[in-house]
Amino acid sequence: GAGVSQSPSNKVTEKGKDVELRCDPISGHTALYWYRQSLGQGLEFLIYFQGNSAPDKSGLPSDRFSAERTGGSVSTLTIQRTQQEDSAVYLCASRGGGFEQYFGPGTRLTVT
Amino acid sequence: DAKTTQPTSMDCAEGRAANLPCNHSTISGNEYVYWYRQIHSQGPQYIIHGLKNNETNEMASLIITEDRKSSTLILPHATLRDTAVYYCIVRVANSNSGYALNFGKGTSLLVTP
Repeated sequence: GAGVSQSPSNKVTEKGKDVELRCDPISGHTALYWYRQSLGQGLEFLIYFQGNSAPDKSGLPSDRFSAERTGGSVSTLTIQRTQQEDSAVYLCASRGGGFEQYFGPGTRLTVT
Repeated sequence: DAKTTQPTSMDCAEGRAANLPCNHSTISGNEYVYWYRQIHSQGPQYIIHGLKNNETNEMASLIITEDRKSSTLILPHATLRDTAVYYCIVRVANSNSGYALNFGKGTSLLVTP
């Protein structure tokens, strides 16, 4: 069946530009998570959505990062005025009624 | 969340059992142990989780010590496709963070022919 999809798979942007990353969760999954993984590092939690609301935004590294979710489905992570340290793989996961999170393939962001 | 300690890397011969240890000596009574793995260039994949009892599914077995201070993930017959970074995560269910996971550095498992 369809898993979590993310787009674009790769994004190269210039420093200072804004980027939008998209996540399509598994249909019916109410919980959605964003993580990022910098080169050689573990995954870092960014934000969690339950439905359209975000009870936990504690992992967002700065106010340049924001995310929204509409219709309890698609989510967009926006990074404004990108910096080189934002370069990473951004991973989205969704969860249904169980414990396990299902991850997408990620978006590789490179800020030049 | 309780901190976990895992070896940085391990090797295992193809066809043999891979036993991946995890220390979580500060675990609380309501914290679960989760295992995920990440194959190169892919998103993490859920493997198994447990609270107190040993668990087994089609992918692996999870052995948790009686005092719950450590656990071992067992891949009974490792294949080359099991080469990945394995993450042991301890997490309490929290209504605000909804099971959000704190990944550490994990164990890089190399399965050799």
